[in-house]
Amino acid sequence: AQRVTQPEKLLSVFKGAPVELKCNYSYSGSPELFWYVQYSRQRLQLLLRHISRESIKGFTADLNKGETSFHLKKPFAQEEDSAMYYCALRVGFGNEKLTFGTGTRLTIIP
Amino acid sequence: EPEVTQTPSHQVTQMGQEVILRCVPISNHLYFYWYRQILGQKVEFLVSFYNNEISEKSEIFDDQFSVERPDGSNFTLKIRSTKLEDSAMYFCASRELLEQFFGPGTRLTVL
Repeated sequence: AQRVTQPEKLLSVFKGAPVELKCNYSYSGSPELFWYVQYSRQRLQLLLRHISRESIKGFTADLNKGETSFHLKKPFAQEEDSAMYYCALRVGFGNEKLTFGTGTRLTIIP
Repeated sequence: EPEVTQTPSHQVTQMGQEVILRCVPISNHLYFYWYRQILGQKVEFLVSFYNNEISEKSEIFDDQFSVERPDGSNFTLKIRSTKLEDSAMYFCASRELLEQFFGPGTRLTVL
């Protein structure tokens, strides 16, 4: 079965410093990877997906199949980045469920 | 911008009681999901629903759970006889193409 691991439950970073939220997955095939974000008192929302290869709010994530990782990065943290971040995986067409990691709470220190 | 809505935002019930959690997916979406998150734990998939039937369910989704789309707009999750361990945040999601859009969640507290 597939699994997503986010090793850091909490991460504090100073404003302006680089951010890296780690995500590793286990799945023998080719999954789709996502990052979801949940700001305080708001719903889960999609931040980015690996197939889009886009940058959203300054965040990027590269799928590394060799290391089975999908780390989320931002070069300069902003206070509004404080939120809960979840890495998620989806496998195969037709199997549409998302498998989530436990999440990382990111706090940006002013 | 259309959003998934869920009611109630918080439900408190006694163990053994039935609860129905309600969701209104985004109107043109065809795929519907329920997830739950026990406090301090990960978001877990419960069930997916398409074309008026369950397309996949997890091992959590036992005979105590059922889903229904009683009309063209609502999507409900029923727990027939609640247990203490059903206390969690329950999220509904819907999808048209690739992205799942989540509702704000219903916090279920079983006493």
